[in-house]
Amino acid sequence: EAQVTQNPRYLITVTGKKLTVTCSQNMNHEYMSWYRQDPGLGLRQIYYSMNVEVTDKGDVPEGYKVSRKEKRNFPLILESPSPNQTSLYFCASSFPTSGRVPYNEQFFGPGTRLTVL
Amino acid sequence: QQQVKQSPQSLIVQKGGISIINCAYENTAFDYFPWYQQFPGKGPALLIAIRPDVSEKKEGRFTISFNKSAKQFSLHIMDSQPGDSATYFCAASKSGGGADGLTFGKGTHLIIQP
Repeated sequence: EAQVTQNPRYLITVTGKKLTVTCSQNMNHEYMSWYRQDPGLGLRQIYYSMNVEVTDKGDVPEGYKVSRKEKRNFPLILESPSPNQTSLYFCASSFPTSGRVPYNEQFFGPGTRLTVL
Repeated sequence: QQQVKQSPQSLIVQKGGISIINCAYENTAFDYFPWYQQFPGKGPALLIAIRPDVSEKKEGRFTISFNKSAKQFSLHIMDSQPGDSATYFCAASKSGGGADGLTFGKGTHLIIQP
């Protein structure tokens, strides 16, 4: 089954304790992204990657890191989590746009609900 | 700068009624307008999308109406059902856009009352 998986699905942690949320896709997508979803603010992009070893900042990158060492995996790292990073996080993937695929349809994972105390 | 404005933030509709969600965009370079549907506990999923060369696209009970001159587009859900209760996001993109190319609205929480 074609899917994007995230782990863990739920996480409660304390301020300053480093954590990693994993993301993996089995659709051979080049593009991957991380979003956070907050009430009234919608989906905001944190980081994105257009291929292995190619990453760039989205709209709200402060306090986050990413890496893309393999095509299928795109982990999100919070080196020193703070309470304002309490949120619902989504990983997404898509094919690159081209003449055959001119538009960026994103496939989302199930989400990770993070609480930072 | 919010490039896609979505309204209302929340909406309650009676079963069988028409649900209407509106979006407006600013960037005239956008040429792809998808709607994503998100059920509780799930990630968003593509519902329907339109390109500006048509003014309307219909898939079952879901219709997108597009007004290029006004830079507005809307989602209409006909004969709304309780199973349509979800959060809906409009979005906009440019052809050839990269992984950062999809701009989302803030979402509408839709409740269909039985």
